[in-house]
Amino acid sequence: GNSVTQMEGPVTLSEEAFLTINCTYTATGYPSLFWYVQYPGEGLQLLLKATKADDKGSNKGFEATYRKETTSFHLEKGSVQVSDSAVYFCALSGQNSGNTPLVFGKGTRLSVIA
Amino acid sequence: SQTIHQWPATLVQPVGSPLSLECTVEGTSNPNLYWYRQAAGRGLQLLFYSVGIGQISSEVPQNLSASRPQDRQFILSSKKLLLSDSGFYLCAWRTIRGRTLGYTFGSGTRLTVV
Repeated sequence: GNSVTQMEGPVTLSEEAFLTINCTYTATGYPSLFWYVQYPGEGLQLLLKATKADDKGSNKGFEATYRKETTSFHLEKGSVQVSDSAVYFCALSGQNSGNTPLVFGKGTRLSVIA
Repeated sequence: SQTIHQWPATLVQPVGSPLSLECTVEGTSNPNLYWYRQAAGRGLQLLFYSVGIGQISSEVPQNLSASRPQDRQFILSSKKLLLSDSGFYLCAWRTIRGRTLGYTFGSGTRLTVV
């Protein structure tokens, strides 16, 4: 079945450091891929998405590229801020999923210190 | 525009008491609806999902149940809460044809069973 594996945290970075959170997936065909962010005490918000190979999703300085050849969708940001401290979830929607729920990774907690 | 409402935001309940959490969606029709639970420091656990009125799929058949009495209403219930039911409960929705759109999450209910 479909699955998502993301690096386990916590990840602690200094402000303005470069961020990479790895995400790889297992799925047949061409799934849609998502990154969600959860700030403390809140629900999840869609951060960015990519629906076909080589697509790059971007939002708020974050980027992720859908790499079919490596089955990856790594999240990157060139210069993190304290306000980026949150939990980040990678997720997948199968190509022929119909009503099947999204598959989520376990989440990566990011702490950015000033 | 579409919005999702979850309430209450915070709930403290004694062991053995009943539970009812409600989620409603506005601005769309016939959505797919989902209940997730997030234990402290853990990832997302899918509890139930529904693709239509009266249709409930259970992923984790514990002492929780779900119902969908109306198209845009999704209720999570328990007859007798356990300590292990404590957690952050999240409702989410997606359009039936929204495979590439991901979920929209509610703001969550923090449940503490004492």
